[in-house]
Amino acid sequence: GESVGLHLPTLSVQEGDNSIINCAYSNSASDYFIWYKQESGKGPQFIIDIRSNMDKRQGQRVTVLLNKTVKHLSLQIAATQPGDSAVYFCAENFAGNNRKLIWGLGTSLAVNP
Amino acid sequence: DTAVSQTPKYLVTQMGNDKSIKCEQNLGHDTMYWYKQDSKKFLKIMFSYNNKELIINETVPNRFSPKSPDKAHLNLHINSLELGDSAVYFCASSRQGETQYFGPGTRLLVL
Repeated sequence: GESVGLHLPTLSVQEGDNSIINCAYSNSASDYFIWYKQESGKGPQFIIDIRSNMDKRQGQRVTVLLNKTVKHLSLQIAATQPGDSAVYFCAENFAGNNRKLIWGLGTSLAVNP
Repeated sequence: DTAVSQTPKYLVTQMGNDKSIKCEQNLGHDTMYWYKQDSKKFLKIMFSYNNKELIINETVPNRFSPKSPDKAHLNLHINSLELGDSAVYFCASSRQGETQYFGPGTRLLVL
């Protein structure tokens, strides 16, 4: 369960551009998906979630897309701002697993001014 | 403020010592968690309690012992600390099966 040998993927974007962060999830039985944002020195913070009966959900400046066919989840951030710089995690959840979240490795988003 | 809080925020200690981290939530949630985050930001679930009952107990050395005195508190006691225990430990809470809310983390450094 450790991340030895793995590197945190990094996405670098210009301020004002749109960002797309991708996530491949592992379990076809997963029915609930969540995106978290973790800023430096802080705990993960809930951004947006989506259930498996939907393929798109929009929030404020963020959109989550779910493709169950290929087990793929993405987070789109519109008009990326410096305050969006953080590590973003996807997590999946399914009944029968004690509702234990399965976490992705995270993607570091760097916003260039 | 409604939140998940942890104490201490920083903990620096010698190998072999015993230490505790405390967590409290005032969100009215029935489920609490402990996570360990390593230097590469990998988040690993350690324990989860639902209504004071242990429901998740991952492969964690038995030097780590969680205790939930009530639904609002989940503490983590670590015996005989080792260098590899250095990490950030996060507490989280949720209603069972719903979104988890995280505390600010406890940065543990074992020397």
